[in-house]
Amino acid sequence: EIVLTQSPDFQSVTPKEKVTITCRASQSIGSKLHWYQQKPDQSPKLLIKDASQPFSGVPSRFSGSGSGTDFTLSINSLEAEDAATYYCHQSSSLPLTFGGGTKVEIK
Amino acid sequence: EVHLVESGGDLVQPGGSLRLSCAASGFTVGNNYMRWVRQAQGKGLEWVSLIYSGGSTKYADSVRGRFTISRDSSKNTLYLQMNSLRPEDSAVYYCSTDETFGFWGQGTLVTVSS
Repeated sequence: EIVLTQSPDFQSVTPKEKVTITCRASQSIGSKLHWYQQKPDQSPKLLIKDASQPFSGVPSRFSGSGSGTDFTLSINSLEAEDAATYYCHQSSSLPLTFGGGTKVEIK
Repeated sequence: EVHLVESGGDLVQPGGSLRLSCAASGFTVGNNYMRWVRQAQGKGLEWVSLIYSGGSTKYADSVRGRFTISRDSSKNTLYLQMNSLRPEDSAVYYCSTDETFGFWGQGTLVTVSS
């Protein structure tokens, strides 16, 4: 099983600051790493697919990078509506797995 | 516009059964990869099962032999039959596509408790 380790677990950020979340895979997954945003009492929403491809309709302040085992989600100029938990997810091999999540709070 | 609507979640006793449904509109379940993902209260996301467009199925170790994923093309609906339920199966269950489409339903709550 591929384990995805996200860091940090929690981040408190002021608006307009840049946020960086990392996701490390326990073995190489190529670019089959995706990022989701989940707000309280909502279903997850896809932000970035295949490591760096923005999903349709996602604001341009969200970007992803990386390949192999190390990946990054960046949120440039954080907005209040970005308060949420962010998850990485790998679809390289079964079982599909998710990172433990990073909760982003707005100061 | 695509909608995935889950239903069937309920309170059930340990050892009981439930069948979850995921009705799709604006999207053809039978032609596409579909999956179930669950989330226990206050916890992260956990993959449960998937069905490929060709019909083959896969399961997480924690549910294999107890859960069965299926679909009905005539009803454009995905199902998850859950038997021998355990308290640790309590969660919100989401149906979703893969990242090609990125669609998720709103979830249905399953509570396994005596």
